[in-house]
Formats: sequence, C-alpha cells, structure tokens
Amino acid sequence: DAKTTQPTSMDCAEGRAANLPCNHSTISGNEYVYWYRQIHSQGPQYIIHGLKNNETNEMASLIITEDRKSSTLILPHATLRDTAVYYCIVRVAGYSTLTFGKGTMLLVSP
Amino acid sequence: DTAVSQTPKYLVTQMGNDKSIKCEQNLGHDTMYWYKQDSKKFLKIMFSYNNKELIINETVPNRFSPKSPDKAHLNLHINSLELGDSAVYFCASSPETSGKETQYFGPGTRLLVL
Repeated sequence: DAKTTQPTSMDCAEGRAANLPCNHSTISGNEYVYWYRQIHSQGPQYIIHGLKNNETNEMASLIITEDRKSSTLILPHATLRDTAVYYCIVRVAGYSTLTFGKGTMLLVSP
Repeated sequence: DTAVSQTPKYLVTQMGNDKSIKCEQNLGHDTMYWYKQDSKKFLKIMFSYNNKELIINETVPNRFSPKSPDKAHLNLHINSLELGDSAVYFCASSPETSGKETQYFGPGTRLLVL
C-alpha cells in the first residue's frame, strides 16, 4: 500500500470544524483512501472512505484533491468525544488488510 | 447487540504459559482478522481468515495459532508466552475481501505477560 503522512497532533475547539490533512503522493489509481479513528482504550472505528470523489456521511466529510495526492477529513462540529487518534490509510483494491501508520492525535478542547 | 466481541478483555499471565483469546462477530461477515497493537501504539495485521480459511499470515511466530471453528468465530491461541507478547490484540471482521469494504473492530484484549 502507498504510504501516508499525517501531522502528529492537532488541536480543535469544541464546536469548530476539525480539518485533518493527509498526504499520499504515491497513491495508485486503484487505491482507496480510508479514515479510521481510535478513541482511547477502544478498537479502531471506521469513519469514511473514497476513491476520487468527495464523500460525506453522518460522521464526516472527505475531500480528495483532483490529483489524489492528498486528502482532508473534516469533522464539521467537533465535540469532546471526537478526541482520538485519526488514521489515514491508503488501501489497494482487492487486498483486504489495513496498514495503520502513526495517525494524528486530535485533541478537542472546551 | 455487540457486533464484534472479544474475551477476555484483560489477561495477565506468567511467561511460558499458554493462553487463548476468543472473538465472535454477529454481523454475518465472511472475513475475520487479528491485529496487534504494541506499546508504541502501532497497529499491525497478524492473520486474516475468509470462510474459515487462512488467507493472510504475516510474519508472526508460530507460537501464535489462529483457529476458526466457524465463520463467526476466530480464536487466537498463544503458546509459551513471552514478555514481548504484551500488547492489545484486536479482532475485526468485514463482509468480504474485495478491499473496498470497511472493517469492524472489537474492543480489544489487553494481554500482560509477567
């Protein structure tokens, strides 16, 4: 799988939008971008994924640049419960496992 | 209504012992996985089973032996436990192995080897 680069940590005020960037400059045409998060002492939780179009669900939005070399996960109104490590993962279609990097520790403060 | 469950949640044991961790999913998924998260918080795949058949086996010592009695269960047996086996072990499941589907993780089993 292509490697990803994320900031080690980010801060966000409660109620504000959290924008988490991810670089995946070596992504291939058949690789999807996935976002998972891991709240302290819990298992990873799926957030969203996309191939090239922007995606939105009840949890977040995913913005993928036109060249697909980077993406941004947007939590529109961050809450304290969104404090977690967020993982950006690029995954080859047809290969089932996820390769987790270090992720971004997002701290949402009151 | 737990989707992916693991037992036990905590496991403290002596070096050299043999122990098992159990995983069950009630999602009707075909594929199950074991991941290990070490003290540095890196999460790495260990095994993957599809319809009770082993499909991925990363470079894991043969002291670790997964067993899938049926599609809904994937247990992990560890022989001759070592200090370095201390970690959090996560089970996960997914509908298929196309690579596009999402994975659902269990709450983890925290293993401490003394």
